[in-house]
Amino acid sequence: DADVTQTPRNRITKTGKRIMLECSQTKGHDRMYWYRQDPGLGLRLIYYSFDVKDINKGEISDGYSVSRQAQAKFSLSLESAIPNQTALYFCATSAKPAFGGWEVNEQFFGPGTRLTVL
Amino acid sequence: SQQGEEDPQALSIQEGENATMNCSYKTSINNLQWYRQNSGRGLVHLILIRSNEREKHSGRLRVTLDTSKKSSSLLITASRAADTASYFCATDELPGNQFYFGTGTSLTVIP
Repeated sequence: DADVTQTPRNRITKTGKRIMLECSQTKGHDRMYWYRQDPGLGLRLIYYSFDVKDINKGEISDGYSVSRQAQAKFSLSLESAIPNQTALYFCATSAKPAFGGWEVNEQFFGPGTRLTVL
Repeated sequence: SQQGEEDPQALSIQEGENATMNCSYKTSINNLQWYRQNSGRGLVHLILIRSNEREKHSGRLRVTLDTSKKSSSLLITASRAADTASYFCATDELPGNQFYFGTGTSLTVIP
């Protein structure tokens, strides 16, 4: 079974609808991330969470919100979807550094969710 | 945007040749990482180099880091058709622990 799973894998929705993308992991990692990928722009960080009670905005958080329900679950919501949120969305996890600190180590990615907003 | 830039954007080589791609970034870093992505799929981690390291090897991969120039390079030796993918650098930047990906290099290895 995959270590990082995302649901749904594909979603088509209409402008103004509320959408939730879900991510689950079995790696036991404390840290989880949400990214979006647009053609030619690489990945951009939306939100990240270093533990269950920690939520941080990334580079492009406007229009998005997140919920860290448990160590293994991190959800991304679009409260009112708009067409320019059409993209490929990835969840990722990473382990804490062995000796503490804030360094971001190797990240493990889910398979992605392709979201289309009409 | 804080995104790094990669060069070239696209690279096409014959099987057996070496492939070199470069990454530039903008601020101080904890580390720099390279990832690979096959079309439309999740990214896979290749190698991590810390700010106090200058060179690192893993199998056919060689990564260098020059913090004075804020740049890194990834060399893939003896390329194979299976190496065809997009390659991204990513930086754990200070302060604030934001994590930024470059725009990627699309590598095609022709059998």
